[in-house]
Amino acid sequence: DAEITQSPRHKITETGRQVTLACHQTWNHNNMFWYRQDLGHGLRLIHYSYGVQDTNKGEVSDGYSVSRSNTEDLPLTLESAASSQTSVYFCASSESRSGGAFFGQGTRLTVV
Amino acid sequence: GDSVTQMEGPVTLSEEAFLTINCTYTATGYPSLFWYVQYPGEGLQLLLKATKADDKGSNKGFEATYRKETTSFHLEKGSVQVSDSAVYFCALNTGGGNKLTFGTGTQLKVEL
Repeated sequence: DAEITQSPRHKITETGRQVTLACHQTWNHNNMFWYRQDLGHGLRLIHYSYGVQDTNKGEVSDGYSVSRSNTEDLPLTLESAASSQTSVYFCASSESRSGGAFFGQGTRLTVV
Repeated sequence: GDSVTQMEGPVTLSEEAFLTINCTYTATGYPSLFWYVQYPGEGLQLLLKATKADDKGSNKGFEATYRKETTSFHLEKGSVQVSDSAVYFCALNTGGGNKLTFGTGTQLKVEL
């Protein structure tokens, strides 16, 4: 079965370190997204991609970057981790506007 | 910009009670509307959707009707079960590529 997987599921890192969260989907979807989930804010869009070599900034992109070198993967990099980036991160993929998106299990990141 | 407003939780109900979770939206254009559910420790799963005015989405006993005149998409279920305990998110999409805007989520607790 097609799926979307995130790794690691949990990570603790120190302030100032670079961190990369992985996202891999086997749906062959063109559209991929990264969201962060925080209490009182729901899910907020960080970055998204509509295809290989395409990346776009979302609502809360400062301090994050993504790259899309193939259809299956959209890694999220925190250039210099800050305590404000402690959150649960979700990756998602979709094919069409009306079809809804499929979400990964999430990565809980703690920055100490 | 686009936005989604959900009723605040937590909502606590007894098993077999009737459920309504309110959702209203502001959007340019003609959005597709979605309800997602998140069980503890998991990612979001698409529960139901509606892509045009007066459409009714339904799944697992849950229903929601796209009301353009009141810009609403309220989630209902006639008889909830303990297994329905989760966080429910209302979301919309007006752009291409299925970039979603989420509400803040409503936690539902169902007790015996």
